[in-house]
Amino acid sequence: QQQVKQSPQSLIVQKGGISIINCAYENTAFDYFPWYQQFPGKGPALLIAIRPDVSEKKEGRFTISFNKSAKQFSLHIMDSQPGDSATYFCAASKAGSQGNLIFGKGTKLSVKP
Amino acid sequence: DAGVIQSPRHEVTEMGQEVTLRCKPISGHNSLFWYRQTMMRGLELLIYFNNNVPIDDSGMPEDRFSAKMPNASFSTLKIQPSEPRDSAVYFCASSRGLVEKLFFGSGTQLSVL
Repeated sequence: QQQVKQSPQSLIVQKGGISIINCAYENTAFDYFPWYQQFPGKGPALLIAIRPDVSEKKEGRFTISFNKSAKQFSLHIMDSQPGDSATYFCAASKAGSQGNLIFGKGTKLSVKP
Repeated sequence: DAGVIQSPRHEVTEMGQEVTLRCKPISGHNSLFWYRQTMMRGLELLIYFNNNVPIDDSGMPEDRFSAKMPNASFSTLKIQPSEPRDSAVYFCASSRGLVEKLFFGSGTQLSVL
């Protein structure tokens, strides 16, 4: 049972372009939605996170957009750089179960110079 | 801060052998998580501990898997006997309390032949 569906599986973007990765969830009890970034040979690292009381959160070039009614959230990377090339995972957890993050399958982003 | 330390980085073993993976969480963190990453299933939570006590082990695939946390600075994940389908990258992560920001180690690449 996949509770967090992520798309696309892979993405190629030109340097300076906008990268967009989408996630959809099923469980309305989820109340925390982080994005993790993983470089080859490394563990995932928290990039940015949002709670459903806001529709958007921005940190530098990274923005999460959240649509509670559609049960969808997305990551936008503005002015994408080759150094952003990595695998990105969305995730979700619910109150009272913060230890159990449900991860999406990941999106491999390649930013071409 | 040395981060989460996992050992070994790579492990190659034969089917039927016992495998022990080790993790040292970040000092001061009292929650520890074991994840498994494969191409097919993505990142799966196997078990997590809070204050050295196992909280949820529902992700442990079979009785062949066991995890311990004898003290706040050390945890092990043991597979006995190992099988080829156990081949994966195993990550340990820690956090300060049952909060959502997880700090991952660099993982152990396990290959069971």
